[in-house]
Amino acid sequence: GIQVEQSPPDLILQEGANSTLRCNFSDSVNNLQWFHQNPWGQLINLFYIPSGTKQNGRLSATTVATERYSLLYISSSQTTDSGVYFCAVGYSGGSNYKLTFGKGTLLTVNP
Amino acid sequence: DVKVTQSSRYLVKRTGEKVFLECVQDMDHENMFWYRQDPGLGLRLIYFSYDVKMKEKGDIPEGYSVSREKKERFSLILESASTNQTSMYLCASSLLTWGGFHEQYFGPGTRLTVT
Repeated sequence: GIQVEQSPPDLILQEGANSTLRCNFSDSVNNLQWFHQNPWGQLINLFYIPSGTKQNGRLSATTVATERYSLLYISSSQTTDSGVYFCAVGYSGGSNYKLTFGKGTLLTVNP
Repeated sequence: DVKVTQSSRYLVKRTGEKVFLECVQDMDHENMFWYRQDPGLGLRLIYFSYDVKMKEKGDIPEGYSVSREKKERFSLILESASTNQTSMYLCASSLLTWGGFHEQYFGPGTRLTVT
């Protein structure tokens, strides 16, 4: 199956700093999503980005499908950005629509 | 906005009990999914359904069954709960296009403890 690797596993920032999270995947995909898991465990959708670049406020993401990686950029980080960020990929071969998740990046933003 | 709700945020059950976890989505999505999340193992797919009464096994279906009698509702059933089923359970839904793939939306999760 598809392998998903996220880096770094842990990241500690001061409020206001910028950061880049990376997601590498091992095979062709036609779905890639970035999530933020809040302290209560809910997965919040950040981006649906199988290819290209998107921006939403202080967050942006880029996926280069041909090179099998995606980047999540967080600018001017805030303490509320803390939590785990997951990349998940999927391939609709046959009827299998499952997402395969990376292990996540634990982001801590200190005031 | 897509809304996926789960019947309980926290649940404590005894070994051997039959446990029902319910998930409801309000966006007329065809696909619904059940995942579990465990430290060190990440999120893994248990079962998914692409239509009423249809189901397919995911990566870890052993010890679980599912039911989908209505399009908006997908239930996960633990026939006889065991301590190794203590976990965070997450439900998700998405549109279905054959040969395509759509964004999945997740519910708030149910933290199940089996004692």
